[in-house]
Amino acid sequence: GAVVSQHPSRVICKSGTSVKIECRSLDFQATTMFWYRQFPKQSLMLMATSNEGSKATYEQGVEKDKFLINHASLTLSTLTVTSAHPEDSSFYICSAGPGQGADTQYFGPGTRLTVL
Amino acid sequence: DAKTTQPPSMDCAEGRAANLPCNHSTISGNEYVYWYRQIHSQGPQYIIHGLKNNETNEMASLIITEDRKSSTLILPHATLRDTAVYYCIVFYLDMRFGAGTRLTVKP
Repeated sequence: GAVVSQHPSRVICKSGTSVKIECRSLDFQATTMFWYRQFPKQSLMLMATSNEGSKATYEQGVEKDKFLINHASLTLSTLTVTSAHPEDSSFYICSAGPGQGADTQYFGPGTRLTVL
Repeated sequence: DAKTTQPPSMDCAEGRAANLPCNHSTISGNEYVYWYRQIHSQGPQYIIHGLKNNETNEMASLIITEDRKSSTLILPHATLRDTAVYYCIVFYLDMRFGAGTRLTVKP
């Protein structure tokens, strides 16, 4: 149990286009989801916290108009990178947890975004 | 910012126990200690978590000091497949990753 999927696993796009990444909890309802990005040889950096039924909370320095997060349902969250630039190229990872507070988070396999 | 400090790297011989330390001296009373690991280019994998008591599961044991300011993750019989970056995280409302410890299990 506790499986989180992400789609696509990798995407290559041209500069200026938008890319949508989906995060799904397959066997539980996710009250809380987190989005991260990870640059090569670095740790995961928290981008935003998403709670079902409310707007996402973005970390300082993360542009909410560029990285649109929609917690559409209790099993789906999407991250849309708008007007992508080469510096947005990164490994994007989501996590989902069934409860609130410190309930265990389960991570998706990640999405490798390359912007040309 | 992450609230944990871990050594950047450790080596362990295959078949021996791997003991990974973590300092979290500013942990709050409602924050749990979580451990995840990440193998290259994959999402982090949950290992174990605890609040005050020591915990054990099929993967590992977690030892938390009485003052909760530090903890140790123990992999009892390390294998080559345990080579990964291990992250210790204190978690209540948001989950922030530090630099982690790169564990290399050697034959």
